[in-house]
Amino acid sequence: DSGVTQTPKHLITATGQRVTLRCSPRSGDLSVYWYQQSLDQGLQFLIQYYNGEERAKGNILERFSAQQFPDLHSELNLSSLELGDSALYFCASSAMTGAQTNEKLFFGSGTQLSVL
Amino acid sequence: DAKTTQPTSMDCAEGRAANLPCNHSTISGNEYVYWYRQIHSQGPQYIIHGLKNNETNEMASLIITEDRKSSTLILPHATLRDTAVYYCIVRGGGSNYKLTFGKGTLLTVNP
Repeated sequence: DSGVTQTPKHLITATGQRVTLRCSPRSGDLSVYWYQQSLDQGLQFLIQYYNGEERAKGNILERFSAQQFPDLHSELNLSSLELGDSALYFCASSAMTGAQTNEKLFFGSGTQLSVL
Repeated sequence: DAKTTQPTSMDCAEGRAANLPCNHSTISGNEYVYWYRQIHSQGPQYIIHGLKNNETNEMASLIITEDRKSSTLILPHATLRDTAVYYCIVRGGGSNYKLTFGKGTLLTVNP
């Protein structure tokens, strides 16, 4: 158990809908990262937050947004869903800011999103 | 971040040592070598990381060559539960952080 909690574990929805994925980081960790894993793209970095502020952005679509709340949990919002958004979405947390070279990420067990 | 090259797949007998190679010939001086693994559809799991010296923890050993252009992850006594995709990642610091996962090596431990 990594200590990172993601809910829900599975989500089935239809095209055009909007969903929210939730992540609770390990106790004391200030950084939260979101990754998407699809069969053809592998693990893709989406976005990072540190202590409520966006720190780094990866290949995140404009239809996707995220935020980190004062209690440090994070939510990833996916809207206008398309079939191609079906994937595993992982959240990871770290005690560091993301700028250090000596940093370890701890991943949650993921949310499996199926868009039908 | 420097690019890494890993074999697509490897096999290992249960109880034997698994040696997973990684090439990172363009690594720069302040970049660390990280290893993560992902057991089928689970979240990636941190294994070990190092800069120059060899490192060992309860999971594995990391051997980095003197020129730092390659490294080897060693699982000393592989078990069936070690079957996973192993990712070698080279990462520096800076303000635009992202841990970039490649395709990794699928290690299959056979009974």
